[in-house]
Amino acid sequence: DVKVTQSSRYLVKRTGEKVFLECVQDMDHENMFWYRQDPGLGLRLIYFSYDVKMKEKGDIPEGYSVSREKKERFSLILESASTNQTSMYLCASSLFKTGDNEQFFGPGTRLTVL
Amino acid sequence: KNEVEQSPQNLTAQEGEFITINCSYSVGISALHWLQQHPGGGIVSLFMLSSGKKKHGRLIATINIQEKHSSLHITASHPRDSAVYICAVRSDDMRFGAGTRLTVKP
Repeated sequence: DVKVTQSSRYLVKRTGEKVFLECVQDMDHENMFWYRQDPGLGLRLIYFSYDVKMKEKGDIPEGYSVSREKKERFSLILESASTNQTSMYLCASSLFKTGDNEQFFGPGTRLTVL
Repeated sequence: KNEVEQSPQNLTAQEGEFITINCSYSVGISALHWLQQHPGGGIVSLFMLSSGKKKHGRLIATINIQEKHSSLHITASHPRDSAVYICAVRSDDMRFGAGTRLTVKP
């Protein structure tokens, strides 16, 4: 079974703090994704990575950065958290870069920025 | 307008009822996914389909490529089916609907 884990289920931070969200997958997947999920908006892609040290902007990259130093780990960084970044953050991975293949999701991190 | 529209947004049913959730999309796609998200956040993939119909237990998913429409059906619904159901399409990348929150009452 593919397993995608995220470092925290719940996180509370203050405005201006630097926040790290970590995601690890154990199936040697090439692709990894960070989404945020907000009521009424569905999942929106923040960043994705198709290889180590490679990253691509998604639909809403502003205010976020990412790091992929190892194939199994994809980190999302909020350089200076703001209240409008309060959201559910979901990490996902998939096997291949091209073609359609299933994405496997982590359990999510609910981040609250006060 | 979202590229992926789901209806209804919220659905409450009695145990045993037949459930239908609809998904319409406006882009060309290579495949459509139905996902299930339980309280607590975890998402699991139910179906991936590009034509016709797939069945898994009490769940049935259909897609009409010409009409750009898919439906997810649940037969003999049960309280444990209560979850958010999300339609996602693969175009250049994945696009997600806002989800349908289903509550099945005993």
